[in-house]
Amino acid sequence: QLQQSGPGLVKPSQTLSITCAISGDSVSTMSASWSWIRQSPSRGLEWLGRTYYRTKWNTDYAVSVRSRITITPDTPKNQVSLHLMSVTPDDTAVYYCARVSSSGYHFDPWGQGTLVTVSS
Amino acid sequence: QSVLTQPPSASGTPGQRVTISCSGSSTNIGSYPVSWYQQLPGTAPKVLIFTNSQRPSGVPDRFSASKSGTSASLAISGLQSADEADYYCSAWDDSLYGYAFGTGTQVTVL
Repeated sequence: QLQQSGPGLVKPSQTLSITCAISGDSVSTMSASWSWIRQSPSRGLEWLGRTYYRTKWNTDYAVSVRSRITITPDTPKNQVSLHLMSVTPDDTAVYYCARVSSSGYHFDPWGQGTLVTVSS
Repeated sequence: QSVLTQPPSASGTPGQRVTISCSGSSTNIGSYPVSWYQQLPGTAPKVLIFTNSQRPSGVPDRFSASKSGTSASLAISGLQSADEADYYCSAWDDSLYGYAFGTGTQVTVL
């Protein structure tokens, strides 16, 4: 199960940060990766990036946000966080975390979603 | 912006069969497994189909899917009012080096 938390309102130029707490699995498992996805009326569903552990931590980011995004694992708290810097109103969206099994290419489960509005 | 193309809408009467297409390319559907998601209003997407045609436990066999070349399709047979939702396809894309999602199809039960 994935439980998200984070602010619903972020001012332009600031950093958006959302946390995804993992239960029933380990963030450092070598059998899965942890992705962040967002959804907005203008962009639809957009994959933002992922982190995964395979003897060392790895991250991959979507080209569209690569210069502004960081996804970090927190092993003691068993959670993964999304940080998106220098946000603009175009970053207003519902943000989801999701698990992908290393044996598949599908997202399951998903977090409940966090609506983030970028506005002054 | 999506690299996977779906029809924006599909509809049918209760009991009918509805099919949704998902068109991609050799860098995504042509090379990787396709998954399908159902999104009910106000909720997160839920996996309906994985690895082209596999159903997770709990998903009714009214839902089926297939893949051929660079396209995939989802079929809903015995359409029910509970099936009114948005449906999305997804696949890894080598040119993006990331996951691609379809544009989404809104299914309406008439």
